[in-house]
Amino acid sequence: EVQLVESGGGFITPGGSLRLSCAASGFTFSKARMYWVRQAPGKGLEWVGRIKSKTDGAATDYGAPVKGRFSISRDDSKNMLYLQMNNMKIEDSGLYYCSTDTLVPVRWGQGTLVTVS
Amino acid sequence: FMLTQPHSVSESPGRTVTISCTRSSGSIASYYVRWFQQRPGSAPTTVIYEHSQRPSAVPDRFSGSIDSSSNSASLTISGLKTEDEADYYCQSYETSDPQWVFGGGTKLTVL
Repeated sequence: EVQLVESGGGFITPGGSLRLSCAASGFTFSKARMYWVRQAPGKGLEWVGRIKSKTDGAATDYGAPVKGRFSISRDDSKNMLYLQMNNMKIEDSGLYYCSTDTLVPVRWGQGTLVTVS
Repeated sequence: FMLTQPHSVSESPGRTVTISCTRSSGSIASYYVRWFQQRPGSAPTTVIYEHSQRPSAVPDRFSGSIDSSSNSASLTISGLKTEDEADYYCQSYETSDPQWVFGGGTKLTVL
C-alpha cells in the first residue's frame, strides 16, 4: 500500500526555520518525482515545489512565494522527502502535503500543520 | 497561466452537476488536467487524471472531459450523493516540465 506520512509541523515565530519530513512507502521512492503542496486555513491548494529523481539530477523547482527561502531535498536510502523552510512568514501558515505524480493516480499524504505567529 | 473555477455549486441528491475549469492561456488539450476531491478535514484525493481517466476506486458517476473551443475542462458528477459534498480542484501544468497550477477550487453542496 502506498503511504506518504508528513511530520515536523508546529508553531514557529516569523523569521524562524522549520524542517518538514515525508516518509514514503509502498513504491519505488528513488524513482519518484516528489512534490510539496500547501493549503492556508480556509484557502485553496498552492504548489510549493518539486524535486525530481536522482536519475533526473534531483532537480528542484519552487513556487514564487517560497523561492529563495524554502529548499526541498530527499534521502533515497531512507525513503524520505524534506522541506526546509527558512525566514518564515505568517502567510506560510497552513497544512503542508507531500505528493507524487510518478504513481498514477497522484497520491497525497495527510498533511502536517504549520503555524507561523 | 490561471485555471478558473466557479466558487461554488449546489444541486440536489440524484441530480447531475458539472464543474468547469477554464485555462487562461495555452491549450487545455496540451497538458493533462487532473481533478482532486477534498472532503472537509481530509487530504485531497484524485478523482480524475489525464483529462478523463478515473482511478479504479472512484465511482463511474464521476467523469472528466475537455472542450478545446472554450479551452476548459469539466468534471461531471451524476447521481449525486451527500458524500460527494466536498471541494473540487482542477490542476494542470505550466510547461512540459510539470509545475502544478491549481484552480481556486469549487465547493459542491448537495442538498
